[in-house]
Amino acid sequence: DAGVIQSPRHEVTEMGQEVTLRCKPISGHNSLFWYRQTMMRGLELLIYFNNNVPIDDSGMPEDRFSAKMPNASFSTLKIQPSEPRDSAVYFCASSFGTIGGDTEAFFGQGTRLTVV
Amino acid sequence: GQQVMQIPQYQHVQEGEDFTTYCNSSTTLSNIQWYKQRPGGHPVFLIQLVKSGEVKKQKRLTFQFGEAKKNSSLHITATQTTDVGTYFCGGNFNKFYFGSGTKLNVKP
Repeated sequence: DAGVIQSPRHEVTEMGQEVTLRCKPISGHNSLFWYRQTMMRGLELLIYFNNNVPIDDSGMPEDRFSAKMPNASFSTLKIQPSEPRDSAVYFCASSFGTIGGDTEAFFGQGTRLTVV
Repeated sequence: GQQVMQIPQYQHVQEGEDFTTYCNSSTTLSNIQWYKQRPGGHPVFLIQLVKSGEVKKQKRLTFQFGEAKKNSSLHITATQTTDVGTYFCGGNFNKFYFGSGTKLNVKP
C-alpha cells in the first residue's frame, strides 16, 4: 500500500485565492482526519470523518474552511478565501476505527501551504 | 485551551544519555497514543496505551500510562542520533487532542 497520499506537497498562493488540498486515505480505512501544524499552535485536529460522514468539525477555524469526503477514497480541504495566517503544514491521516484516536493513525506527507 | 499538556518543550542530550517526556491531562483519558515526527517529516505512530498503569517497551523506549489515566511518559534509554525528532502524545476523552510535543536533539 502506498500509504496516505496528499497533494500537492507544496502550495504557494496569494491572499484571497481559493486553495484545495487533496487526500487519498489507505484503502479499507474508515476514518479520515485533517490536521494543521504550526509552530505556534502545534498539531490541531480540524475535522474528522467516519465512513465518509463528518463526525467532528469543531476544530475548523472559521467558515472559510470546508472539507468534503465524497467517497471512501478521497477527501478535500478547501480554504476560500485564503489568508496569510492560514500558512501551515496540513496533514491528512486515516485509520480503521469507530472514534477518533482509538486506533493507529497513518499520516500523509503533508501539504506545506504558504499564503503571501 | 490546551487539553493535553506535554513537557518539556525542548530537550538537548548527549548521545548515550537518557531522555523522558511527560504528558498530562486534567481529564481522565480513555487511551493515549505516542507519535514521533522526524524533522521535515510526518507523525509516525509508536504505540497506544489503554489500561491504567500500563507499561510497554519497544527496545530502548518505555511507555507508561498513569494509574489515574491522566498522565503518561515516554522514556528513551541511551539515546542515539536516530532518536532525533519531536515526540507527541495524544489523548482521547470526548475528542482526540495532541500534546504540544517535545523536540529532542541528540548531540553525537
